[in-house]
Amino acid sequence: DTGVSQNPRHKITKRGQNVTFRCDPISEHNRLYWYRQTLGQGPEFLTYFQNEAQLEKSRLLSDRFSAERPKGSFSTLEIQRTEQGDSAMYLCASSLGHLSNQPQHFGDGTRLSIL
Amino acid sequence: AQRVTQPEKLLSVFKGAPVELKCNYSYSGSPELFWYVQYSRQRLQLLLRHISRESIKGFTADLNKGETSFHLKKPFAQEEDSAMYYCALGASGAGSYQLTFGKGTKLSVIP
Repeated sequence: DTGVSQNPRHKITKRGQNVTFRCDPISEHNRLYWYRQTLGQGPEFLTYFQNEAQLEKSRLLSDRFSAERPKGSFSTLEIQRTEQGDSAMYLCASSLGHLSNQPQHFGDGTRLSIL
Repeated sequence: AQRVTQPEKLLSVFKGAPVELKCNYSYSGSPELFWYVQYSRQRLQLLLRHISRESIKGFTADLNKGETSFHLKKPFAQEEDSAMYYCALGASGAGSYQLTFGKGTKLSVIP
């Protein structure tokens, strides 16, 4: 198992375009999280899935952002009509089970640059 | 609302010197605290969690609820400890599974 996998690693796009990122969690993990990290900041929570259900969303997740996890496996995060402020590293994490203290395992992230 | 404060952006110590990375949190419920580390060109990875009360790579951290702190300590710093360290707070008791991260402290160990 190679851990959490994210694609692409880098995405450069023009303002106003739509982008989609993919996250493949560790295979037995039922929980999946998306975070955003900008320069000089720690990761900030965006949204959380338990299996295919999206159970928690941050107010950071504007209407232009949508996330899915069909069949409770991989997840996609789409940003529509990108803006300069969307430039950031988008991190995915996954964890296992019902215990509250199961650690979250992070992927390498997708770095988004808006021109 | 949860908040995590790491007061130092950068901490430089000499090899062999003690290290203490500070973390304070704000949360009214029962907190779950973690330290994550990111080495150069590597992904964020879990270093410690308070519930385990373990020592990893010589690092320890004790949860002090009175002072709302979870400082990370190591008695003798090594060059390979140079990395970015993030303190994180979980609040699953409140039905939330997100982690709230601090801004991070960059540890630089001088040979």
